[in-house]
Amino acid sequence: KNEVEQSPQNLTAQEGEFITINCSYSVGISALHWLQQHPGGGIVSLFMLSSGKKKHGRLIATINIQEKHSSLHITASHPRDSAVYICAVKENTPLVFGKGTRLSVIA
Amino acid sequence: DTGVSQDPRHKITKRGQNVTFRCDPISEHNRLYWYRQTLGQGPEFLTYFQNEAQLEKSRLLSDRFSAERPKGSFSTLEIQRTEQGDSAMYLCASSRGSGANVLTFGAGSRLTVL
Repeated sequence: KNEVEQSPQNLTAQEGEFITINCSYSVGISALHWLQQHPGGGIVSLFMLSSGKKKHGRLIATINIQEKHSSLHITASHPRDSAVYICAVKENTPLVFGKGTRLSVIA
Repeated sequence: DTGVSQDPRHKITKRGQNVTFRCDPISEHNRLYWYRQTLGQGPEFLTYFQNEAQLEKSRLLSDRFSAERPKGSFSTLEIQRTEQGDSAMYLCASSRGSGANVLTFGAGSRLTVL
């Protein structure tokens, strides 16, 4: 069983919709990362958080340490948000990644 | 400095051949990581360096894989006697400090073993 589980695996949304991607993990962590991967492989770090909430533009990431759960929200989604969103956690060793959520935003 | 560079971006090789990938991290980053990613999966950790010291290796890193970072700057990942199962995207990332900092990824080197 993967230590990091993401849901949903695939998500299709209409432009403008509010999107939520969930990440659950089973180990104690020191930090959680949300990453974005576009076709072709390039990975961009969106957030790193260890508590509470962070916001950057239309993206919001929250984490509940007690429940071992994090969410990534995208407000007013746009086709350029189409990508794979990956959750990764850090315990004592380098990052453990989820399998990703493939998001397609349709105009 | 424009980020993490990886070379080559694509490599096609025949089974049994050796391949080497290079990663140039962001210059002030002292940590460098190698990950492998297959289709539909998240990246899997292979190994990481702090400066020139290789601090951890995953059990995924068989004896055919070797990584170096001789001067604490660029790193190489060599795969000897490649197998079809080695076909994947090999990702390099770097960070500053203790590893609790944000990672910057390279675009990856895609390996296809025929």
